Parts: sequence; structure tokens; C-alpha cells
Amino acid sequence: AQKITQTQPGMFVQEKEAVTLDCTYDTSDQSYGLFWYKQPSSGEMIFLIYQGSYDEQNATEGRYSLNFQKARKSANLVISASQLGDSAMYFCAMREASGSARQLTFGSGTQLTVLP
Amino acid sequence: DGGITQSPKYLFRKEGQNVTLSCEQNLNHDAMYWYRQDPGQGLRLIYYSQIVNDFQKGDIAEGYSVSREKKESFPLTVTSAQKNPTAFYLCASSIPPGSGGNQPQHFGDGTRLSIL
Repeated sequence: AQKITQTQPGMFVQEKEAVTLDCTYDTSDQSYGLFWYKQPSSGEMIFLIYQGSYDEQNATEGRYSLNFQKARKSANLVISASQLGDSAMYFCAMREASGSARQLTFGSGTQLTVLP
Repeated sequence: DGGITQSPKYLFRKEGQNVTLSCEQNLNHDAMYWYRQDPGQGLRLIYYSQIVNDFQKGDIAEGYSVSREKKESFPLTVTSAQKNPTAFYLCASSIPPGSGGNQPQHFGDGTRLSIL
């Protein structure tokens, strides 16, 4: 079974609108962390936001927030007030406490296009 | 500024040739990682190292080799045994395990490898 599932290969959003990128995960660990990264066309991976499995509040970082629903094993990324520069590939990733060396498992990504 | 430097940005390999991708970090991180990314897909772990002179195979290690002689450096060799090496290669680093689960991996800008 896939550990990280991103079901939206591509998404479009109008500039200044909000968009939600879906991520579901599968783990039997009680302790784990969820990360979102942005990959522009240039290729570098940019860390956006983190949510720990024991965090009671949803994580927020500027225009990024994480809609964490532990019982449903989902960690959706919400981008508010989209900008043209938000157009990129977005990856959800998980680190399990049982994993070695802080290994991350990545989903297949969602390509977001912001329309002017 | 601290960061991860990967070189070269583009690399071409002839049939039967070994090539080495460079990864250097000045973040004082103990753990380093190599990932492979194929078009439209997520990252897959090739090798990782938690400490100098030690490294472990990831999910797709066949046809690759690494060394970790210095904390700052983690070169990846793509050998002639790797029959489909064309991909984007990303190097990452992070603080040691047990130092806080919310610390992300930091990535370099990647090397794009193609077959001639």
C-alpha cells in the first residue's frame, strides 16, 4: 500500500483564490511527522510546513496552513490568496518514528497552476 | 549562507561509463541523503548516511554507490550497472535523529543526468 497518496495530479486555481491540495497517509506508528514541499520548475525542493502527529493545532506558516485530520489520516495543504509564483509541484511527505535516519517518504505530487 | 551545493547542474553519461555527482553541505548536519526523481513522480531514496564512514541502502540502491569520508560531503556514483540512469538527482541533509522530529530535510538544487 502507498504510504503517501496525492490523488490530484494537477490543479488549477485563479489568482487570489484559496486552494486545497490533498494528501492521505498510511502508517501504524503513533509518532510521525508530515511535511509539505514546493518544487518550482527549476527543481529545488522548498520546505513549506510541518505537522506532528501529536500536535493539537493545525500548523500555519504565512499563507500556508495544514488541515490535519488524524482519524482520517489526511494532511491537506491549504494555500490562501494564491499568487502566480505559487505555480509549482507540491509534495506531501511523511517521517515515521520507526523509520531510520529521519527518512522521508514522498507522495507523487500535485502540479498547481495559478491562473491570472 | 549555509546550504547544500550540488554539482554539476547537468551531466551526460556515455554507455558503460561511471559518473559521480557531488554534494557538499555547510549546515553541520550529520545525516545526508540521495534521492532520484523521474518525470512527474515523487522522490525515491537511493542511499543515506547518518554519520561519517557509514551509509545505508535506500529503496533503489542497485547501480549506485556512495562514500562518506567527510561530514560535509556525500558523493553519489552512478555506475554502468544502472541501466536507466536518466533522472533528476537530489541531495539532502538533516540534523541527527532524536534531535527533534519537526526538523525538515534541506535540499540542494539537483543534478539532471542524461544518457548520450
